[in-house]
Amino acid sequence: NAGVTQTPKFQVLKTGQSMTLQCAQDMNHNSMYWYRQDPGMGLRLIYYSASEGTTDKGEVPDGYNVSRLKKQNFLLGLESAAPSQTSVYFCATQRSSYNEQFFGPGTRLTVL
Amino acid sequence: QKEVEQDPGPLSVPEGAIVSLNCTYSNSAFQYFMWYRQYSRKGPELLMYTYSSGNKEDGRFTAQVDKSSKYISLFIRDSQPSDSATYLCAMSNFGNEKLTFGTGTRLTIIP
Repeated sequence: NAGVTQTPKFQVLKTGQSMTLQCAQDMNHNSMYWYRQDPGMGLRLIYYSASEGTTDKGEVPDGYNVSRLKKQNFLLGLESAAPSQTSVYFCATQRSSYNEQFFGPGTRLTVL
Repeated sequence: QKEVEQDPGPLSVPEGAIVSLNCTYSNSAFQYFMWYRQYSRKGPELLMYTYSSGNKEDGRFTAQVDKSSKYISLFIRDSQPSDSATYLCAMSNFGNEKLTFGTGTRLTIIP
């Protein structure tokens, strides 16, 4: 089992470009999360999805959009990238009624 | 004020020492307390999980929760160079799956 996978691993964008970060899980978990991790800021929740077809905003949703069309996939979109979105992005999954979250390996994004 | 406060370190200790990592929190509704370990350029992985107050031991690791003081700790005995990582505390309240994370403490064990 692969667990939680994220693509791409690294990405460099220019300001104003768009892209989609992909997260896939084979754990059959209902809940999925997108975080960003910045030095001194810890993990901050961008969006989460409690089940297929539902999404909700987290702490820092501005500039991002998400899609959960299938249970195993959670997509994070940047419509018009800004340098402030330079960060490491982590996807996580969680089984319902349990608090343990399982994280992917991360995507390192640089916006120039 | 952040809901969860954690000293970012860095913390450097010699191999074999006892390490103490701590978090304080302000939300008295938190019931579930976790410690995640994150190696450089990797995703966090769950290390310890405790519910409500008390201690939990797993090998060289002990997690303590003091809800009266809103204070949680992770102790590492006989520390090893392989314990060098960033340790993040996380917590949540009953009925809420979302976790609130501390900023993480970067730990280095010196051989």
